[in-house]
Order: sequence, then structure tokens, then C-alpha cells
Amino acid sequence: SAVISQKPSRDICQRGTSLTIQCQVDSQVTMMFWYRQQPGQSLTLIATANQGSEATYESGFVIDKFPISRPNLTFSTLTVSNMSPEDSSIYLCSVLPSGSYNEQFFGPGTRLTVL
Amino acid sequence: SQKIEQNSEALNIQEGKTATLTCNYTNYSPAYLQWYRQDPGRGPVFLLLIRENEKEKRKERLKVTFDTTLKQSLFHITASQPADSATYLCALEYQAGTALIFGKGTTLSVSS
Repeated sequence: SAVISQKPSRDICQRGTSLTIQCQVDSQVTMMFWYRQQPGQSLTLIATANQGSEATYESGFVIDKFPISRPNLTFSTLTVSNMSPEDSSIYLCSVLPSGSYNEQFFGPGTRLTVL
Repeated sequence: SQKIEQNSEALNIQEGKTATLTCNYTNYSPAYLQWYRQDPGRGPVFLLLIRENEKEKRKERLKVTFDTTLKQSLFHITASQPADSATYLCALEYQAGTALIFGKGTTLSVSS
């Protein structure tokens, strides 16, 4: 298993600004992911955060809008850049611990509201 | 691309009854299927995983079935309790061994 914390837990931001969300895991993990959950919707994968290399983005998500860092095996950040109200959502990181048969462990999420 | 449908957005049942939630997928059959529970303001929590060669899996009051012919999984909670009230998400592998794609979820409300 893995215990994951995210900061901040919630924020209210102005249009055009950027917010960086941190994800910290209590153990080293190879696979780390960032998801978005818009109101009333399911989770959508934004990208896979790769340690030591550029993140792998899913269709519809680009690095300029959602830059991701993964400096080591326990930490990652997701930045939501040049925000608009459409970016209001819950952002979640998840990890796939070694030895896990793909059951993922999720952080508590960051609730972002953009005015 | 793979699509997942959970055909009930909300399900209301009485305490003690069995809740049955449905998950259908449209394209390739995954090697496994997972169910998660999500409470308001929290991230999803893993409940059960069932592999394609398993027809049924149980864990305490939970039971999952997987029918690759029908492309469907059923999730049962027996002797339901108000504490079981939550949103339940069905998930499939997005790519082998990596990220997941999720259904929209079914919000279960158990009344006493």
C-alpha cells in the first residue's frame, strides 16, 4: 500500500494565474499519475509522471497547460497554468506501488475553483 | 477507444438489502477490472480486482462478477448498511499495466 498526501487541499484562484499542486508518497513508487475529476464526471487521466524524463500526456492535455515535474520516486507536482473557470475541478494524483497488480492508491485530491 | 458505462447514476436501497451495480464496457476485453469506492471530498479507494479468467470474486460483503461475453461486471453489496453509502467506480486498464479509465460511478444511498 501507499499513503499519499496532496497540497493544497483546495484553492480559489483568479483567471489567468497558475497553481502548483504537490503530491507526496510515503514510499518509492515507479508509476505515478495525475487525474482530473470535473463536477459530476468521472476521473480523466491527464498524464503519467515519469521520473527523470518528461511526462506522458493523454489526448487533450498538453505540457504548456499542465507542466509536471517528477524529481524523485516519492514526489511530483502538477501545475495548472493560465487558469480559466473551465479548469475548476478536483485534481488527484495516484500511484501504482511495486508488487501491486495495478490497484492504484489515490491522494485526497485538490479542489480547485477558478473565478 | 474503450468506453465504460455505469448505467445508474444513483441507487437508493433500504438497509439490509443487496445493492447491485452494473458496469459495461464497449471495446476490447481487459485483462482485469477493478471497483473503487469514493466518498465526498476524498480520492477513490480500491475495493476489488477481478481477472478475465475469474467469474466471481468475494471480499466480506462484497461480490464482483465478470462476464467477458456480455462485457459486463456486476458489483454486489449484501446486507447493505448506511455506511456503504458512497459513489462506486468501475475501472479498466487504460494500457496494459498502467493507468486506468473510469466509469462515471454510481452513487449508492442506503437508508435505515
